Amino acid sequence: SQQGEEDPQALSIQEGENATMNCSYKTSINNLQWYRQNSGRGLVHLILIRSNEREKHSGRLRVTLDTSKKSSSLLITASRAADTASYFCATDAEDSSYKLIFGSGTRLLVRP
Amino acid sequence: SAVISQKPSRDICQRGTSLTIQCQVDSQVTMMFWYRQQPGQSLTLIATANQGSEATYESGFVIDKFPISRPNLTFSTLTVSNMSPEDSSIYLCSVGRQLGTYEQYFGPGTRLTVT
Repeated sequence: SQQGEEDPQALSIQEGENATMNCSYKTSINNLQWYRQNSGRGLVHLILIRSNEREKHSGRLRVTLDTSKKSSSLLITASRAADTASYFCATDAEDSSYKLIFGSGTRLLVRP
Repeated sequence: SAVISQKPSRDICQRGTSLTIQCQVDSQVTMMFWYRQQPGQSLTLIATANQGSEATYESGFVIDKFPISRPNLTFSTLTVSNMSPEDSSIYLCSVGRQLGTYEQYFGPGTRLTVT
């Protein structure tokens, strides 16, 4: 079953603008990851943030984690048309088995 | 990093038949996972396939419907048996980046349509 919800479900922005996606989850976690999926293809790992971290950066990506609210956000700055994709958060399962539980995803459209 | 290939990339199958999906990794990995992604939906884990042991299935998935083989550390297969239109999905395999970490590498997926 899915760990949580992401919002918005869909987001349409102009190239150059920032895109923010939010993820909520239900159980305690060791870490949270963000993945990107282009057009029904395989997923690409973007970034992992551990439960004892509050913020992490990678290039144009900024991820925050608030374990008290069981939520995370992914910010993509200065978006490009090539950022158009679906973005999923994923958390580790409670049984520490290295399984991932994915959120519902946000479909991002960046208009040129 | 790991490079993962899946075969077939897509298929259209008749109701009641079975399809076996292959997942090949270019390096030896311990953990391999199979996911289903129904149209417009997120990923749902079907099972974990570790070499040398039986696959572990998630709630709602059974071995008779989705038998899995893991003959070695670089290869696995997932069979979708006795298919119905509800099985139309993208099926993805993934591997753990390395033991002790949670990041996963994903294959390109197999798009299955059942008519």
